[in-house]
Amino acid sequence: DTGVSQNPRHKITKRGQNVTFRCDPISEHNRLYWYRQTLGQGPEFLTYFQNEAQLEKSRLLSDRFSAERPKGSFSTLEIQRTEQGDSAMYLCASSALRGSGANVLTFGAGSRLTVL
Amino acid sequence: GQQLNQSPQSMFIQEGEDVSMNCTSSSIFNTWLWYKQDPGEGPVLLIALYKAGELTSNGRLTAQFGITRKDSFLNISASIPSDVGIYFCADLKAAGNKLTFGGGTRVLVKP
Repeated sequence: DTGVSQNPRHKITKRGQNVTFRCDPISEHNRLYWYRQTLGQGPEFLTYFQNEAQLEKSRLLSDRFSAERPKGSFSTLEIQRTEQGDSAMYLCASSALRGSGANVLTFGAGSRLTVL
Repeated sequence: GQQLNQSPQSMFIQEGEDVSMNCTSSSIFNTWLWYKQDPGEGPVLLIALYKAGELTSNGRLTAQFGITRKDSFLNISASIPSDVGIYFCADLKAAGNKLTFGGGTRVLVKP
């Protein structure tokens, strides 16, 4: 297992287009998180899943954003009708549910979105 | 809501120097985490602190959980070029293990 994998690493799109990002977590991790990071800021929580259930969504996650984790493994984050303000790095992280690794979130390298 | 303030916002280091940065919170923490983020990568956990007063080292890094539970510092001893990056403090919420990050301290090499 090589860690948390995110694709694509970079996406440039025109305003109004839809984009989708994929995250493959560490295989034995039950929890999966999405964060957004804008330039010069720390990551901000968007949503998280425990297995296939989406347990919490931040107010930052507008109705143009939807995240899924259909089989409790990989997850997708879709942004519809992109706006320039959506330009950011979208980070995925995963963690174990129990045990010594439960408090450790392992992050992927992120998917950088640029909306023109 | 809770705010994490990191200082300094940026600093220049010279190889071999010791550097220090800190993080303060508007509310009490139960867990302090320190992450480092390299350009184009996700944050990587450096040190986790779970008890007030706890002092923990990881190689050349040392971090302490303040007695008031509202602050923490991170020291880097004998800095090397690969210490360049952004250092974030974060709070870990027990419910869902969600992280709240500070704004980061950017460490740069002196020209």
